[in-house]
Amino acid sequence: GAGVSQSPSNKVTEKGKDVELRCDPISGHTALYWYRQSLGQGLEFLIYFQGNSAPDKSGLPSDRFSAERTGGSVSTLTIQRTQQEDSAVYLCASSVRAGPSTDTQYFGPGTRLTVL
Amino acid sequence: GQNIDQPTEMTATEGAIVQINCTYQTSGFNGLFWYQQHAGEAPTFLSYNVLDGLEEKGRFSSFLSRSKGYSYLLLKELQMKDSASYLCADRIGDSGGYQKVTFGTGTKLQVIP
Repeated sequence: GAGVSQSPSNKVTEKGKDVELRCDPISGHTALYWYRQSLGQGLEFLIYFQGNSAPDKSGLPSDRFSAERTGGSVSTLTIQRTQQEDSAVYLCASSVRAGPSTDTQYFGPGTRLTVL
Repeated sequence: GQNIDQPTEMTATEGAIVQINCTYQTSGFNGLFWYQQHAGEAPTFLSYNVLDGLEEKGRFSSFLSRSKGYSYLLLKELQMKDSASYLCADRIGDSGGYQKVTFGTGTKLQVIP
């Protein structure tokens, strides 16, 4: 079956421009997570959605970052006025969230963002 | 993952056994995940523990002690392909009734001949 997909796979942008990253979760998965991973570093939690609501936005690094999810499916992560320190791989994951043992997160391939 | 602590790096020899430890916060704890991440790739699921004890899956086993806030991942008969980062993640229930999974920064394991 189809896994989590993300687009674009690579994005090169100039400092100060806005970018939009897209995540298509596995069909039927109600939970969706965004992470950021800089080169050689661990996963940095950004935000997660349960359905269309975002109970935890604590990981968003600044007000330049925002995310939305409509229809309980596709999510977009927007970074405004990009800075060089925003360069990283942005990973999306989804999970079923239907019971105590079903929170396995399935990751997409990521979007590699490079800000020049 | 400010609530999760695991070693940054480990080195082990091909064919040997290695244990990767992880400690986590116990408040609201509902389960512990281990993921494997090869360089340049997305993480993939290895195991999930919610009850105390050891769960074995082939060469990989995962252990949990809820009272101690402690888990470990045990890798036996190490192979060169096991060189990867191993991420510990805990599942915590918050005051709003939501379950949140938080990842540690990972342990980079290097397997040497």
